[in-house]
Amino acid sequence: EAQVTQNPRYLITVTGKKLTVTCSQNMNHEYMSWYRQDPGLGLRQIYYSMNVEVTDKGDVPEGYKVSRKEKRNFPLILESPSPNQTSLYFCASRDYSSGTNEQFFGPGTRLTVL
Amino acid sequence: RKEVEQDPGPFNVPEGATVAFNCTYSNSASQSFFWYRQDCRKEPKLLMSVYSSGNEDGRFTAQLNRASQYISLLIRDSKLSDSATYLCVGQIYNFNKFYFGSGTKLNVKP
Repeated sequence: EAQVTQNPRYLITVTGKKLTVTCSQNMNHEYMSWYRQDPGLGLRQIYYSMNVEVTDKGDVPEGYKVSRKEKRNFPLILESPSPNQTSLYFCASRDYSSGTNEQFFGPGTRLTVL
Repeated sequence: RKEVEQDPGPFNVPEGATVAFNCTYSNSASQSFFWYRQDCRKEPKLLMSVYSSGNEDGRFTAQLNRASQYISLLIRDSKLSDSATYLCVGQIYNFNKFYFGSGTKLNVKP
């Protein structure tokens, strides 16, 4: 089954404790992206990647890091989480080479930073 | 100002009604537009792309007005299963950035 998976689905952590949210897709998509969703603000793009070793900042990259060492994986790293990073996070992928613009989203990771 | 703005609703309509959502965008560099559907606590899923000439998919019709910088979605003959939040999305193609509106909530009641 074609899908985007994220782990963990739920995470409660404390300020300053480094964490990584994993994202993996099995559709061989070049493009991957991370979003956060907050009430009243919608989804905001954090980082995106056009292919392996190619990453770019979205609208709200501060406090986040990403890496793209393999095509299928695009982990989101919070080196020193803060309470304002409490949010619902979605990873997405897209078949960039085919010219389609549909993004396929993972199920989401609900992060709470205390 | 947000890149993409939508009326948050909720729109409460009876089954069978026709309902329309509008969305405005501020960045004239936005080149592609979409409507996504998001069910409660779930991931967004593409409903339809929006073309300049307007496009229809069954009960759904999307329109784009570049001069006024707005996008619309019309749902005819609403079903209970249409209850969801509808997200308007603009894409700045050259930068592969996507801008989502905060969503319009639709409740279709029996």
